[in-house]
Amino acid sequence: ELKVEQNPLFLSMQEGKNYTIYCNYSTTSDRLYWYRQDPGKSLESLFVLLSNGAVKQEGRLMASLDTKARLSTLHITAAVHDLSATYFCAVVPDSGYALNFGKGTSLLVTP
Amino acid sequence: AAGVIQSPRHLIKEKRETATLKCYPIPRHDTVYWYQQGPGQDPQFLISFYEKMQSDKGSIPDRFSAQQFSDYHSELNMSSLELGDSALYFCASSSLMNTEAFFGQGTRLTVV
Repeated sequence: ELKVEQNPLFLSMQEGKNYTIYCNYSTTSDRLYWYRQDPGKSLESLFVLLSNGAVKQEGRLMASLDTKARLSTLHITAAVHDLSATYFCAVVPDSGYALNFGKGTSLLVTP
Repeated sequence: AAGVIQSPRHLIKEKRETATLKCYPIPRHDTVYWYQQGPGQDPQFLISFYEKMQSDKGSIPDRFSAQQFSDYHSELNMSSLELGDSALYFCASSSLMNTEAFFGQGTRLTVV
């Protein structure tokens, strides 16, 4: 059974600070996704990482993938309140087609 | 750009009733996925279709069924509804040639 583990599950951080969210998965895969979800809303695609060593950046967020370690990170730089949301990583295993989600990291950025 | 359309957006049903959720994928997308997200939970994969055939199956209860039609829209049929079926139901679509799945706005089902 594929396991996708995120940590931390809850994160409260001050504006201007940096932090990293980690996503570990238990099966071979070279397709990892990060989504953002605001309360009661849909899942917004942030990053698609398709190869070992992939790094993508958008604004204050940067995501990376290490397929050998089965680890992805989402780094937040100089957090702002607008980044408050739940962030999910999701993995498509080599043997399947569907996204398997982690439990999500609920991020709260405070002044 | 066209997005994934789900209907209805909200649905209230009583226990033991049936419900049908509809999903219209992005044009030229041939794959549809259904997910269930309970309050405070991560999305759970239910079922997917590629070119109108079931391609993958997750934790879909036997009371639920789904299909993809010739125009690529999909319907999730839910029978003998239980209180625990109350959740957000998301549909996502992708093109097999594209690696990214795009999600609809979801249908919030409340069973009372």
